Amino acid sequence: DIQMTQSPSSLSASVGDRVTITCRAGQTIDRKLNWYQQKPGKAPKLLIYGASSLQSGVPSRFSGSGYGTDFTLTISSLQPEDFATYYCQQSYSSVGYTFGQGTKLEIK
Amino acid sequence: QITLKESGPTLVRPTQTLTLTCTFSGFSLSSSGVAVGWIRQPPGKALEWLTHIYWNDDKYYDPSLKSRLTITKDTSKNQVVLTMTNMDPVDTATYYCAHLDSSKWFTYDYWGQGTPVTVSS
Repeated sequence: DIQMTQSPSSLSASVGDRVTITCRAGQTIDRKLNWYQQKPGKAPKLLIYGASSLQSGVPSRFSGSGYGTDFTLTISSLQPEDFATYYCQQSYSSVGYTFGQGTKLEIK
Repeated sequence: QITLKESGPTLVRPTQTLTLTCTFSGFSLSSSGVAVGWIRQPPGKALEWLTHIYWNDDKYYDPSLKSRLTITKDTSKNQVVLTMTNMDPVDTATYYCAHLDSSKWFTYDYWGQGTPVTVSS
C-alpha cells in the first residue's frame, strides 16, 4: 500500500483567506494525485486530477501542484461554500488507490 | 450525463454476506478506459478504496480485503455488483460507487450518492 499523509488534519480560516493543504505519498506516484471535496452527508466531489488539472465546473480559485511525492491543494480566496473536508488520493498503484486521512477546513 | 446509484440492504448481520448493486447511466462499461469502483467511509472517518473493475474485466482489490470481496459487471444491465463476505461491525460504513476515467489520470470523476450499511446483530 502507498501511504498518503495529509497536513494539517484540520484548519481554521476566514472567508477571503488563501489556504494550502499538503499531501505526501509514501513513494513516488508521478502525477497520479487527485483531490476531492466532501461536505457532510454528501458524496466526494472531484476538484483536481493529475495533480494540477482542474475538473470541469470547478472554480478557478482551486489549484493543485506537485510531482513525485509532495503535492499541494491551494484555495486562493476562501468562499463560504468551501468549508468542507478535503481528501487526496493516489491513482498510481493499481492494487490500492489509497486516500489521505482528510483535512477538515473550518470557519474561523 | 453520468449518474450512478447504489442499492442494497441497510442492515446486515455479522458473518452474513453483503451484496450491493451500482446502477449507472450515461456511459458504457464496455468502452475502453472506463471502470467502476467501490469506496466506503465509516462514520466520521476517511474514505477507503475497496475495488474497481475495468471495461475489459480486469479487477483490482484492496489487498487487506481481497479474500472477502468480489466485483462483477453486467454490461447489458449497466450494473456493477459488489459482494463482501463475513461482514463485521467494523464494516459499518457508507458505500459509494464511482466512475473511473483512465484518461483523467485514473480518477473517480463521478460518484453515486452512497448507501449506508450497518452491521449489527
